[in-house]
Amino acid sequence: SQQGEEDPQALSIQEGENATMNCSYKTSINNLQWYRQNSGRGLVHLILIRSNEREKHSGRLRVTLDTSKKSSSLLITASRAADTASYFCATGGSTLGRLYFGRGTQLTVWP
Amino acid sequence: NAGVTQTPKFQVLKTGQSMTLQCAQDMNHNSMYWYRQDPGMGLRLIYYSASEGTTDKGEVPNGYNVSRLNKREFSLRLESAAPSQTSVYFCASTSGSGLNSNQPQHFGDGTRLSIL
Repeated sequence: SQQGEEDPQALSIQEGENATMNCSYKTSINNLQWYRQNSGRGLVHLILIRSNEREKHSGRLRVTLDTSKKSSSLLITASRAADTASYFCATGGSTLGRLYFGRGTQLTVWP
Repeated sequence: NAGVTQTPKFQVLKTGQSMTLQCAQDMNHNSMYWYRQDPGMGLRLIYYSASEGTTDKGEVPNGYNVSRLNKREFSLRLESAAPSQTSVYFCASTSGSGLNSNQPQHFGDGTRLSIL
């Protein structure tokens, strides 16, 4: 079974709105990573948050991590049409061994 | 500024044919990975190489073989292609060694493979 699961599966918003995607996982982790995948391209790493961190920012991205609830959220503020992509969370750590990817959230931002 | 390069980008095979997918990285990374991506399934790890000269199975290795030719190159071979292997294949690399899930992974743009 998947270690990480994103919610919602699909999200459609207007330019300028904020987009929030959630990720839930099952076992203890050392870090959680978010990736973006544009259509027809490979995954691109966005941000990594470690298990001892609660919040991290990078430009218009804000990631939170709640290890007690085993969940994370990715907030994209002031969305642009260019943010249209699939977003994946990936969980990692020594007990897991490898990085586990979720099934992704498809974000569509309309001009 | 190439990063991870995969060839070919597209390929159509007939059932039973063989082919090798090529992957090269120029970031001096120790670890390299092969994933397949299918609709609704996310990324599934086929094989990985923790360092030059070593390879190990991931969660879906059946029907595939790999070679870590040198530090830069990691190839994936389908010996006898089956329709179930129709997928998009991604190569990735990361610094550090081992499965090392504590570092970001860098991905190529994929090979889209159809088996008829």
